Amino acid sequence: GQNIDQPTEMTATEGAIVQINCTYQTSGFNGLFWYQQHAGEAPTFLSYNVLDGLEEKGRFSSFLSRSKGYSYLLLKELQMKDSASYLCAVRDSNYQLIWGAGTKLIIKP
Amino acid sequence: IAGITQAPTSQILAAGRRMTLRCTQDMRHNAMYWYRQDLGLGLRLIHYSNTAGTTGKGEVPDGYSVSRANTDDFPLTLASAVPSQTSVYFCASTPGSEGGYGYTFGSGTRLTVV
Repeated sequence: GQNIDQPTEMTATEGAIVQINCTYQTSGFNGLFWYQQHAGEAPTFLSYNVLDGLEEKGRFSSFLSRSKGYSYLLLKELQMKDSASYLCAVRDSNYQLIWGAGTKLIIKP
Repeated sequence: IAGITQAPTSQILAAGRRMTLRCTQDMRHNAMYWYRQDLGLGLRLIHYSNTAGTTGKGEVPDGYSVSRANTDDFPLTLASAVPSQTSVYFCASTPGSEGGYGYTFGSGTRLTVV
C-alpha cells in the first residue's frame, strides 16, 4: 500500500531552526509537496520538489532524496506564527496526491 | 478575490438526509478535488475532476457523488448522510494535475451528521 510517515508533533523555540521529516512509499513518484495548515484553516502550499536536492524559499527550505524516499522541511528563524501543522504529500503514478497525517509544530517563546 | 468558495461553512445534518456541498472557483483551473480531513488522518480524496465534463473516484468515494458541468463548479452530494461522514470537507483546485502547481484550497465545510 501507499504510505506517508511524518512525526505527529514537534516542539521548538522561537528563533531556532526545526527540521520536519517525511518518508514515503508510493506507487510511482511525480513530485512531493509541503503544505502549512493553521488550526481551523485550509492548507496552504509551501513547496514542491521533483528532483533531488534542496529548494529554498526564504525562511523555508525543502529537501528531497528520491532514492531514499525521504524529504524534509527546514524552518529557520522560527516565529510564533509558524505554529501550525505541516503536511507532506506525494503525487503518485496516477497523478493523485497521497497525504501524510501532518506534523503539529508547537513554537515556544 | 480569486480563489475557491465553499458553502456552507458548517452544517449539522440529520442522518438519512441528502445534502450538497458547494464549491466554486474563479481561477479557471482545470482540475478540482474533494477531500475529507479527519483527526489523526491525512487528507483523503473523495472524488476528483481533471477537466470539465469528467470525474473520477478517489480513495473514499462511497456515499458521495459529484458532477462537473462547467469549469467553475464542483458540487459534492451526500445522498443519504451517515454519522461516519462527519468530517471537515475541503474543495481544492489546481491548473492541471501535472507540474509543480500547488493546490488552492477552499476554507472548508465542517459537517456533523447526527
